[in-house]
Amino acid sequence: DTGVSQDPRHKITKRGQNVTFRCDPISEHNRLYWYRQTLGQGPEFLTYFQNEAQLEKSRLLSDRFSAERPKGSFSTLEIQRTEQGDSAMYLCASSLAVSTDEQYFGPGTRLTVT
Amino acid sequence: KNQVEQSPQSLIILEGKNCTLQCNYTVSPFSNLRWYKQDTGRGPVSLTIMTFSENTKSNGRYTATLDADTKQSSLHITASQLSDSASYICVVSDMDSNYQLIWGAGTKLIIKP
Repeated sequence: DTGVSQDPRHKITKRGQNVTFRCDPISEHNRLYWYRQTLGQGPEFLTYFQNEAQLEKSRLLSDRFSAERPKGSFSTLEIQRTEQGDSAMYLCASSLAVSTDEQYFGPGTRLTVT
Repeated sequence: KNQVEQSPQSLIILEGKNCTLQCNYTVSPFSNLRWYKQDTGRGPVSLTIMTFSENTKSNGRYTATLDADTKQSSLHITASQLSDSASYICVVSDMDSNYQLIWGAGTKLIIKP
């Protein structure tokens, strides 16, 4: 257990529905990252926050995806109008903004869109 | 395009044996290179982080090496255990992209009793 928690661990939804995932980082960590991972591939960067500011978003992040970190603590990732191609593991990681920026990952949320 | 390529894609070895996983990258300049272990259905866990000036770093039975001239890294696992069965992912921090992490696809390692 790295200290990063994600909820839910599994989500099954029908195409077209909206889903929201939550990530609680390690409490003293000021950076928070979202990644998406499909089977047999490494994680793909989606977005990251430093405190409450969203500093970078990947081109992978279509306008159906939105992430927030309202008070610089927990974060939510919402996917609107889900598509089957959104089926993946969604990983959250947190870190301290130091030179190596070691990231600690949560267990992930497995999304299945039927 | 910055890439991180790993080989082999998968590997099966007997418990107790040693193995070496390879990582070739084109990311330049890079800040650091990491190896992560990822159990099936779980998030990745950091094994080692090496800056560009380091050649080797150990974490228990795991030893990572880095050759920045040839842009190669390896992860050596000694005296493998059943719990080493996992995917091992090489990750490079890209200095030109705000230190964004460039991930390899991983090597799936299976340890058989």
